[in-house]
Amino acid sequence: EAGVAQSPRYKIIEKRQSVAFWCNPISGHATLYWYQQILGQGPKLLIQFQNNGVVDDSQLPKDRFSAERLKGVDSTLKIQPAKLEDSAVYLCASSVPGLAGISEQFFGPGTRLTVL
Amino acid sequence: AQTVTQSQPEMSVQEAETVTLSCTYDTSESDYYLFWYKQPPSRQMILVIRQEAYKQQNATENRFSVNFQKAAKSFSLKISDSQLGDAAMYFCAYRITGNQFYFGTGTSLTVIP
Repeated sequence: EAGVAQSPRYKIIEKRQSVAFWCNPISGHATLYWYQQILGQGPKLLIQFQNNGVVDDSQLPKDRFSAERLKGVDSTLKIQPAKLEDSAVYLCASSVPGLAGISEQFFGPGTRLTVL
Repeated sequence: AQTVTQSQPEMSVQEAETVTLSCTYDTSESDYYLFWYKQPPSRQMILVIRQEAYKQQNATENRFSVNFQKAAKSFSLKISDSQLGDAAMYFCAYRITGNQFYFGTGTSLTVIP
């Protein structure tokens, strides 16, 4: 089966510019996650979708970050305007809502964002 | 607050030897799940092994096994017969049912030929 797809793989922008990332989860996976992974740190969840509804966005900086999953399939994450501290790898993951939370997450290759 | 601590930023192991990566976590929950993920230089994270907290038996997946000490809130990963392909960042993660994953800061494993 095809894995989680993300694009672009790399993006360089200047601060105050806008950027958007795209994720296509594995077919049939209802749950989709966006993570921010700053160099030297573990992934931090930004937002979790169940189908097209938001389950958890408590760590999403809503003044500049937004995400949507309109048809319950692919998703976009936007940053507007970007700050230097947004430089990170943005990981998308998907999972099937499994038994009692043991469902495995499948990760995409990530988008490396550099803000100059 | 849930936290996951990996106290070893870097580890190295001789090929064919055994290495243990440490992980501790802080939680007030009694029912939760623990995971080890591997992130090779290509950056695609893959699941290595998982453990349900209600199970006393330690999980095993081929050369990978865990030592789960619930009272001590410890979840270490043992890699036996280390191979060059095991070189990667390893992340310990914790999850409550239906809720988000919390990841540690990772341990970079080098395998020496």
